[in-house]
Amino acid sequence: KAGVTQTPRYLIKTRGQQVTLSCSPISGHRSVSWYQQTPGQGLQFLFEYFSETQRNKGNFPGRFSGRQFSNSRSEMNVSTLELGDSALYLCASSVQPNTEAFFGQGTRLTVV
Amino acid sequence: SQQGEEDPQALSIQEGENATMNCSYKTSINNLQWYRQNSGRGLVHLILIRSNEREKHSGRLRVTLDTSKKSSSLLITASRAADTASYFCAKRNGGNNNDMRFGAGTRLTVKP
Repeated sequence: KAGVTQTPRYLIKTRGQQVTLSCSPISGHRSVSWYQQTPGQGLQFLFEYFSETQRNKGNFPGRFSGRQFSNSRSEMNVSTLELGDSALYLCASSVQPNTEAFFGQGTRLTVV
Repeated sequence: SQQGEEDPQALSIQEGENATMNCSYKTSINNLQWYRQNSGRGLVHLILIRSNEREKHSGRLRVTLDTSKKSSSLLITASRAADTASYFCAKRNGGNNNDMRFGAGTRLTVKP
């Protein structure tokens, strides 16, 4: 079974631009969560989706948004990028919330 | 804020020794998951322990959960240099619309 796939793996953007990151969960998994990881803040929860519905949202500004499609694939979008958005963005999928969550390799976003 | 705080922040041991990492939390949980992360890469799922479980094993890994003390421990026996990584606990709160929150992690170094 293929693991969680995140694309792209690396991304360089300029301040003010927007970016869309993609996550394809493990087949059969309907829950997807997103995390931001930085050296200073560690792993911060962004969103969780289950069956196309956002269950939870972390403490991030409205520039961060996401969605989940009917095939369980998920995207997150960051608009008006700031230097501080440079981070490793990790996606995790699980069969449903409260079960084992498996992570992708992440997207490394650099904002210059 | 981070939930599931690990201690110690860093641990250095010799190959063959055991490594114990602890995780504390503040509110009731549905489950707690332990992960390993090698530098800048995705998180590898190790063990999920539910609130009604006290101990789980997987190979050289043993996880315990003490809900009265709101703490969990990860024991790695007979450590190897390849176990060098950061280890995180992630707590999923009880109740509806819960999400999974990570602690700051323990950086384990196993010297050959």
